[in-house]
Amino acid sequence: AQSVTQLDSQVPVFEEAPVELRCNYSSSVSVYLFWYVQYPNQGLQLLLKYLSGSTLVKGINGFEAEFNKSQTSFHLRKPSVHISDTAEYFCAVSDRDTGFQKLVFGTGTRLLVSP
Amino acid sequence: NAGVTQTPKFQVLKTGQSMTLQCAQDMNHEYMSWYRQDPGMGLRLIHYSVGAGITDQGEVPNGYNVSRSTTEDFPLRLLSAAPSQTSVYFCASSYRGLAIDIQYFGAGTRLSVL
Repeated sequence: AQSVTQLDSQVPVFEEAPVELRCNYSSSVSVYLFWYVQYPNQGLQLLLKYLSGSTLVKGINGFEAEFNKSQTSFHLRKPSVHISDTAEYFCAVSDRDTGFQKLVFGTGTRLLVSP
Repeated sequence: NAGVTQTPKFQVLKTGQSMTLQCAQDMNHEYMSWYRQDPGMGLRLIHYSVGAGITDQGEVPNGYNVSRSTTEDFPLRLLSAAPSQTSVYFCASSYRGLAIDIQYFGAGTRLSVL
């Protein structure tokens, strides 16, 4: 079984500053990795995904994430955040054998961007 | 193309009442899933379906029933609501195929059980 740990429940940051949201996973098999964003009172939107190949994955809205197999991490980064990036961010993992349908989510990190 | 549509958006129930959360998608996706979102716990998979007539349990299936009679619809039934089922419920859908696709989420149903 897989599990996902997002150590930071909340990350405050000033506008135009860089940010890193941490995600560590645990799995005995190969996995797919995802980052989703949830704006207030909305559903989840996919930011980016890692399936295979290059360990640096670029997503929408200037976000990127790096897959580190040895550290079992998939941290999300953005070099300069905007007020509009204020949202909750979820890291998720799925088992390559059972497919991407059964996602296991982390508990989420609330990104608070202030002017 | 409306994507994934969930109704109602909000619902208040009394303990013991039953209700059905509706989920419909117009993208001809084979896969559909139901998740619940609770504070500090992220999203947890309740039930999922890989096609019409086929459903399976997720991580937290107790207290919920599902059926999939058509490709478009995947309703979630609470037969006897309990306060522990107070949560935000999300429906998701995706393609089934050789290419890995993403799950598209609805806007959610916020349920309170008193």
